[in-house]
Amino acid sequence: EAGVTQFPSHSVIEKGQTVTLRCDPISGHDNLYWYRRVMGKEIKFLLHFVKESKQDESGMPNNRFLAERTGGTYSTLKVQPAELEDSGVYFCASSQDGAQNTEAFFGQGTRLTVV
Amino acid sequence: GQSLEQPSEVTAVEGAIVQINCTYQTSGFYGLSWYQQHDGGAPTFLSYNALDGLEETGRFSSFLSRSDSYGYLLLQELQMKDSASYFCAVPFNNQGGKLIFGQGTELSVKP
Repeated sequence: EAGVTQFPSHSVIEKGQTVTLRCDPISGHDNLYWYRRVMGKEIKFLLHFVKESKQDESGMPNNRFLAERTGGTYSTLKVQPAELEDSGVYFCASSQDGAQNTEAFFGQGTRLTVV
Repeated sequence: GQSLEQPSEVTAVEGAIVQINCTYQTSGFYGLSWYQQHDGGAPTFLSYNALDGLEETGRFSSFLSRSDSYGYLLLQELQMKDSASYFCAVPFNNQGGKLIFGQGTELSVKP
C-alpha cells in the first residue's frame, strides 16, 4: 500500500512568486491534514479536510495560503505570493478516521525555501 | 492555549537507555502521542497513551502521568539508527483531528 506522497520534495522560489504543493493521501483516508515546520520549531497545524470539506482551517497563517481538495482525493496547498517567512517544511498527513487515538500517516514533506 | 515542552537535544551512546520527557499544558487532555522523524523523512507514529502508566513496544516504551501533565518516551538498547527527532503531540480536542506538537528533541546516538 502506498503511503502519503508529497510533491515536490524541494522547492526554491523567489519572494512574490507562487508555489503549489501537492499531497496524495493514503487511498481511502477521508481525513487529510496540512502541517508546517519552520526551522527548529514545532510542527504546526495548518488545516484539516474531511473528504472535500474543510473541517478546520484555524492554523492557516493568512489569506496568501489556499488549500483545496477537489473530489476528496488529493490536496493542493498554494502560497501566493510567497514571503520569506513562508520557508519551512510542509507536511501532509492522512488518517482513516479522526479519532484522537488514530495514527496519522505523514508524508516526507515539501521543503520550501523562499529567497 | 496549549503547549508542550521537551528538551531540544539529547545525546547518548549505543546500547544505553535514554528518556525523553514531555510536559504539557492543555485546556483539555485526550492522550499523548510520540512521533519519530529521521532527517528529511516523514514523521512516523510510535505510540499513544490515553491512560496513566507505561506502554511497551519492543525497545521503545511510553509513559503518561495525567496528574503531573507529564509523559516520557524511553528508548532502550540504543542503536545508531535511533538518531532522529522525537516529537510528543496531543490531540487538540476529543473530536480527534489536529495534533499539537512539541518542538521536538533531537537524539544523537554516538558509537
